[in-house]
Amino acid sequence: GAVVSQHPSRVICKSGTSVKIECRSLDFQATTMFWYRQFPKQSLMLMATSNEGSKATYEQGVEKDKFLINHASLTLSTLTVTSAHPEDSSFYICSAREGTGEAFFGQGTRLTVV
Amino acid sequence: AQSVTQLDSHVSVSEGTPVLLRCNYSSSYSPSLFWYVQHPNKGLQLLLKYTSAATLVKGINGFEAEFKKSETSFHLTKPSAHMSDAAEYFCVVRSQFSGGYNKLIFGAGTRLAVHP
Repeated sequence: GAVVSQHPSRVICKSGTSVKIECRSLDFQATTMFWYRQFPKQSLMLMATSNEGSKATYEQGVEKDKFLINHASLTLSTLTVTSAHPEDSSFYICSAREGTGEAFFGQGTRLTVV
Repeated sequence: AQSVTQLDSHVSVSEGTPVLLRCNYSSSYSPSLFWYVQHPNKGLQLLLKYTSAATLVKGINGFEAEFKKSETSFHLTKPSAHMSDAAEYFCVVRSQFSGGYNKLIFGAGTRLAVHP
């Protein structure tokens, strides 16, 4: 199947700093990318959806100014957690889809804010 | 609105015995349904999907699922569990196209433990 690469796999940052997570589709054009958040022992919660070249659509309750999403090309989307706090510590997962096809998932990023 | 309910948060089986992970869905139209597996601290891998073709869907690693419209169910089964099957399993429904895109709606997950 298609490959979605997410980087970094783990990151530890200090409270108040910003962290950028990258999501790349390696062998297809990701017209749509999704960002999820997963708390320990819980399911995935969709944070936002982005279409290449357009502003992201955020789910209710997700602060767009805190979780900045950029989808500037058909192979790359980034999620920036701004002014991170310990409560932002979580597992973040991206997925990418070409057209209306199957969505492929990245490996996830474990963010720890200390 | 579409939703999925995974009836068991934890399932424990012995190696070599059958696996049954239960999922019920709610949808006002013919849904697309998926099962994903997640190993610890990893992303998700698609096991199988139903998209209105054959009701019995065969996936990877010996898993299969049967779409039963009358029961609104999409249970995941495997005849013989392997230790490597221990993971978290998610039943997922694709939402109806709206607002310019459709999205995946995840169940709460079922943690499968396999004992020697």
